[in-house]
Amino acid sequence: AQTVTQSQPEMSVQEAETVTLSCTYDTSESDYYLFWYKQPPSRQMILVIRQEAYKQQNATENRFSVNFQKAAKSFSLKISDSQLGDAAMYFCAYRSLLGGANSKLTFGKGITLSVRP
Amino acid sequence: GAVVSQHPSRVICKSGTSVKIECRSLDFQATTMFWYRQFPKQSLMLMATSNEGSKATYEQGVEKDKFLINHASLTLSTLTVTSAHPEDSSFYICSASVGPAADTQYFGPGTRLTVL
Repeated sequence: AQTVTQSQPEMSVQEAETVTLSCTYDTSESDYYLFWYKQPPSRQMILVIRQEAYKQQNATENRFSVNFQKAAKSFSLKISDSQLGDAAMYFCAYRSLLGGANSKLTFGKGITLSVRP
Repeated sequence: GAVVSQHPSRVICKSGTSVKIECRSLDFQATTMFWYRQFPKQSLMLMATSNEGSKATYEQGVEKDKFLINHASLTLSTLTVTSAHPEDSSFYICSASVGPAADTQYFGPGTRLTVL
């Protein structure tokens, strides 16, 4: 079974600065998806970024980018130019290709990010 | 695109009553939807996988007679908490698989259930 580990429960960043959230995972599969989801105080889960394991290029979405290290099974999220609205809980998640549409997401425990004005 | 709605957003009920939560895909058809439960400051716990026109698949430890799931159409799945008790109080979230390979899950806004 796959596991996702987010070892830091909390992090803090100064507004306008850059922060990196760590995530490692364990799998025996060679192809899969990885995701970062954001959950602000409203508790709406929002997709931040997605990475296909077969793609070597790191995914980017505006101020959000990932550092995907497949051999090391590491998938960190970098937030540049942090904004107050980035304050939220962030979850790293793994999804196998097996099972098609029924394939489940395996979540890490999440990290609470606070942004200091 | 890929909007998932949930209704109600909050519900308070008395112990012993049943509560139905609806999950709808607004701008796409979802053959598969998922139901999660989340406690404060914790991760999401998958309860069951819901497939249109067939019985839901429940995760180990989830009582299927307690949490009834129906996925009657390609845009609607419902979760009914039967004979609710205070320990069922929680935040319930649904999601739907989207994309050519249904590889990405988009989430509803969640339902906060309080059982008195």
